[in-house]
Amino acid sequence: DAGVIQSPRHEVTEMGQEVTLRCKPISGHNSLFWYRQTMMRGLELLIYFNNNVPIDDSGMPEDRFSAKMPNASFSTLKIQPSEPRDSAVYFCASSLAPRLRYTFGSGTRLTVV
Amino acid sequence: GQQVMQIPQYQHVQEGEDFTTYCNSSTTLSNIQWYKQRPGGHPVFLIQLVKSGEVKKQKRLTFQFGEAKKNSSLHITATQTTDVGTYFCAGTMNRDDKIIFGKGTRLHILP
Repeated sequence: DAGVIQSPRHEVTEMGQEVTLRCKPISGHNSLFWYRQTMMRGLELLIYFNNNVPIDDSGMPEDRFSAKMPNASFSTLKIQPSEPRDSAVYFCASSLAPRLRYTFGSGTRLTVV
Repeated sequence: GQQVMQIPQYQHVQEGEDFTTYCNSSTTLSNIQWYKQRPGGHPVFLIQLVKSGEVKKQKRLTFQFGEAKKNSSLHITATQTTDVGTYFCAGTMNRDDKIIFGKGTRLHILP
């Protein structure tokens, strides 16, 4: 089992650029979650999908953030345009169901300069 | 909104001392999970508690779920340097369908 796979591991981009983060959940997991972690705010849930359908996007900061899950094995989180305050570690996690144990990916460390 | 409160935020202990972190919710939880995140790493699932008053042990770690299912604790006996990291509790509210993470307790071990 390769676990939850995220790419890239690190991303440095200039303010105003579009950033796309990618996630491959564990095969068979029906729920996928995007989190953002910073020192100030801790671990924040941005959005989660169940069976590829977005269920709760109340944590998405603003319209600059969007997430898609076109199929059961792939999801993207896009920031357009990016801003320095978006700098954080973004984690993707998956689980068999929203209430069951989550498996996190290694994260993408995003730096917007 | 619904929150899971965790204390303390930080804890420094001498190696060999015990450590406890506490998790509280104003709402009854259907279950509580605990995760550990090593510095520079990602949260890793440790355990899930479901029953009122449940106690589970993993070597030097003891996890408890309160009788009212509104609080939980993680106790580490005789800490070691490998215990360094942030410990998160995460609870599911009865009416909710996702888990809510606490802010975590960051544990530092002094040699």
